[in-house]
Amino acid sequence: AQSVTQPDIHITVSEGASLELRCNYSYGATPYLFWYVQSPGQGLQLLLKYFSGDTLVQGIKGFEAEFKRSQSSFNLRKPSVHWSDAAEYFCAVGARSSYGGATNKLIFGTGTLLAVQP
Amino acid sequence: EPEVTQTPSHQVTQMGQEVILRCVPISNHLYFYWYRQILGQKVEFLVSFYNNEISEKSEIFDDQFSVERPDGSNFTLKIRSTKLEDSAMYFCATYQPNYGYTFGSGTRLTVV
Repeated sequence: AQSVTQPDIHITVSEGASLELRCNYSYGATPYLFWYVQSPGQGLQLLLKYFSGDTLVQGIKGFEAEFKRSQSSFNLRKPSVHWSDAAEYFCAVGARSSYGGATNKLIFGTGTLLAVQP
Repeated sequence: EPEVTQTPSHQVTQMGQEVILRCVPISNHLYFYWYRQILGQKVEFLVSFYNNEISEKSEIFDDQFSVERPDGSNFTLKIRSTKLEDSAMYFCATYQPNYGYTFGSGTRLTVV
């Protein structure tokens, strides 16, 4: 069965420090992978996605993620965290549809809550 | 940038009442979804909708739930008889190949 694991429930980093949020997935084929960010009471904003090609994906707000097939991972990174990055981060995998090409649904991890210390 | 619009942003209803959550998808997207997020928990898939029919639904999506696209633009989620445990944020999303998913800002449903 498809699943997404985000092993870190809560992470605190200092402003200006680097960040890595972990994501592991279980999926039988090459997955579509996504990172979303959610501020309190708000919707989901797409940070970046991986469909195919270059395994290092650049996203918005200075985020990047690397797809490592051998490790079934898609970790999110940022070299220097800003106070405004404090939010909850969700990794998701897109399951392929029986229609071919498109995905049927997203399966989300449980999220990592990021706190940023001044 | 194209948006998915959800209304209302917040709805309070009494247990046992019917509620309809509305979504206006991006016009050229063909795949539509509802997800929900109970407070403090992860986002869960409810149902996917393609070509005017349900293509997949989760265990959560029981007989109390239904979806339709009544006028070719709106995409609605109906809960026939709400329960306390239906309180959650409900997200509508659309998908287009090579573009990806776009989520609405959500409807917070509170059942009292």
